[in-house]
Amino acid sequence: AQTVTQSQPEMSVQEAETVTLSCTYDTSESNYYLFWYKQPPSRQMILVIRQEAYKQQNATENRFSVNFQKAAKSFSLKISDSQLGDTAMYFCALTGANSKLTFGKGITLSVRP
Amino acid sequence: DTEVTQTPKHLVMGMTNKKSLKCEQHMGHRAMYWYKQKAKKPPELMFVYSYEKLSINESVPSRFSPECPNSSLLNLHLHALQPEDSALYLCASSPLPPSGRVGRYNEQFFGPGTRLTVL
Repeated sequence: AQTVTQSQPEMSVQEAETVTLSCTYDTSESNYYLFWYKQPPSRQMILVIRQEAYKQQNATENRFSVNFQKAAKSFSLKISDSQLGDTAMYFCALTGANSKLTFGKGITLSVRP
Repeated sequence: DTEVTQTPKHLVMGMTNKKSLKCEQHMGHRAMYWYKQKAKKPPELMFVYSYEKLSINESVPSRFSPECPNSSLLNLHLHALQPEDSALYLCASSPLPPSGRVGRYNEQFFGPGTRLTVL
């Protein structure tokens, strides 16, 4: 079985600052993908960033980057230069060979002006 | 066209009504998914269609009836729902269905959802 744990239910950050969202996971598979999804109040689920487990290099997408620690089964998301539009719920997710997405409980991020 | 569309955006129905949710994608994806999401919770998988055939039913009550008329269209027929069925219903698609292998072709693209209220 796959599990994804997001232990922080809420975080708040000042606009233009940097924030890190934590995620740990467990899987018995050797190859898998990890994702961070963003869900703003409009409730559209948007893919922020993906990481392939066999790639050691951390993924980066503009202001978003991950710290992927495979041995520790940790997958944190760093948001640099936070913007008001980053206010949303963020879900960490894992998929393996069965292609089922296992989601964490999510974290609500608020960006303060 | 690189998006998944869902109609309607909002739906209010009584417990005796019959209604349908529609999902459409024109990306040539061969797998489509229905999820149910309660407020402040992660999405829960309901159904998976692979090459227009139902491949996964996550023990969903029969008052929810999925249908995949063609590779671009996915419906969810609703009948005799309960107030606890009120939720956001998300549709997703991926290039290929679950195959026992992991790759970008399994990545899921989500639609904007239908917010359902059952009175």
